Amino acid sequence: ETGVTQTPRHLVMGMTNKKSLKCEQHLGHNAMYWYKQSAKKPLELMFVYNFKEQTENNSVPSRFSPECPNSSHLFLHLHTLQPEDSALYLCASSQDSSVLSGNTIYFGEGSWLTVV
Amino acid sequence: GENVEQHPSTLSVQEGDSAVIKCTYSDSASNYFPWYKQELGKRPQLIIDIRSNVGEKKDQRIAVTLNKTAKHFSLHITETQPEDSAVYFCAANGYGKLTFGQGTILTVHP
Repeated sequence: ETGVTQTPRHLVMGMTNKKSLKCEQHLGHNAMYWYKQSAKKPLELMFVYNFKEQTENNSVPSRFSPECPNSSHLFLHLHTLQPEDSALYLCASSQDSSVLSGNTIYFGEGSWLTVV
Repeated sequence: GENVEQHPSTLSVQEGDSAVIKCTYSDSASNYFPWYKQELGKRPQLIIDIRSNVGEKKDQRIAVTLNKTAKHFSLHITETQPEDSAVYFCAANGYGKLTFGQGTILTVHP
């Protein structure tokens, strides 16, 4: 299944590094998302993009910077992260971001991030 | 915002038994309730969903029930198999967001 692909799958970075996570969807969707998944916590929505425009920033620290150049690509730029930011970062897409219409959200395999 | 509570956090059953996972939500306007299955090291995948205009939906060994009055919905898995072992997440779309429950680790023992 290659609907939503994420790279890299694993990333180890120091607290002073700058790195980026990449996501690409091949489903023709117009909405893309970043979620954070930590141990023993619910999936946390970070950002929502609808037709390339950011429609939601769920109080995410500025050390996480999203970029959506087009409806098929989404990046998460990482800078001066903390060890507590270590988690699985999941990208997802849906037809559009209208949650009320019940659009199915399709997830990528995730990028495992470890901050040392 | 929406508050989704999921129980139990862990569930262990014998192969062939049934498993039930329950979720409650807070926004009475919620109208879409998906369930996702996440196997170890894999992506969450939608296994079934229900909308508020129906009370029950079934797909082979999986069923979901919805009680709008009580604001709760449940996932039922019958004749469980070892490959059903995974983390299951419920979600609800209240207040314009899809909010996930905390997850249930289901273990099916052969």
